Amino acid sequence: GEDVEQSLFLSVREGDSSVINCTYTDSSSTYLYWYKQEPGAGLQLLTYIFSNMDMKQDQRLTVLLNKKDKHLSLRIADTQTGDSAIYFCAERTPGAGSYQLTFGKGTKLSVIP
Amino acid sequence: NAGVTQTPKFQVLKTGQSMTLQCAQDMNHNSMYWYRQDPGMGLRLIYYSASEGTTDKGEVPNGYNVSRLNKREFSLRLESAAPSQTSVYFCASATSQETQYFGPGTRLLVL
Repeated sequence: GEDVEQSLFLSVREGDSSVINCTYTDSSSTYLYWYKQEPGAGLQLLTYIFSNMDMKQDQRLTVLLNKKDKHLSLRIADTQTGDSAIYFCAERTPGAGSYQLTFGKGTKLSVIP
Repeated sequence: NAGVTQTPKFQVLKTGQSMTLQCAQDMNHNSMYWYRQDPGMGLRLIYYSASEGTTDKGEVPNGYNVSRLNKREFSLRLESAAPSQTSVYFCASATSQETQYFGPGTRLLVL
């Protein structure tokens, strides 16, 4: 079965880079996603990467994908206090007539001013 | 566009009571999903609907029923609530090829 693993906590100083790591198990995954959840809110899509890509950059966000090791990372450059949130990694797997997302348990990022 | 909306935002139930969580999307998406989020467990899929008229079980369907009323609306029903169903419930929608967009959630407490 599918499983997505993330470390639970990360603490960084404001202005530093944050790197959140994720491992997944389903080699048939076509897309991998990063979602952000602020306290009391729903999940907001941050970025995603197609499985035939190694890297995707979007402003302060860089996603790296190592398909051989099934490892995904999210780097946030110049981390700000507003980046404090829980970050979820998710893999997309085929489903009946649709697709399903399998989520990791989330990494809580704390930014120290 | 309002995106994905959910009602109610909060609900307190007694064990054995029933209720329906409502979800609607205005993005003309075919697929809709219900998840629950529990501390330390991430999000787990309860049911999904690939298109109007179809529904399928996810990872944790027991104790729930769903109805895909039309393309816009997908409801989740708890027939006899249990304390183990205390959770935050999220609805999401997507086209067949695109990413899932989430609603703001319903916080449910079952006493």
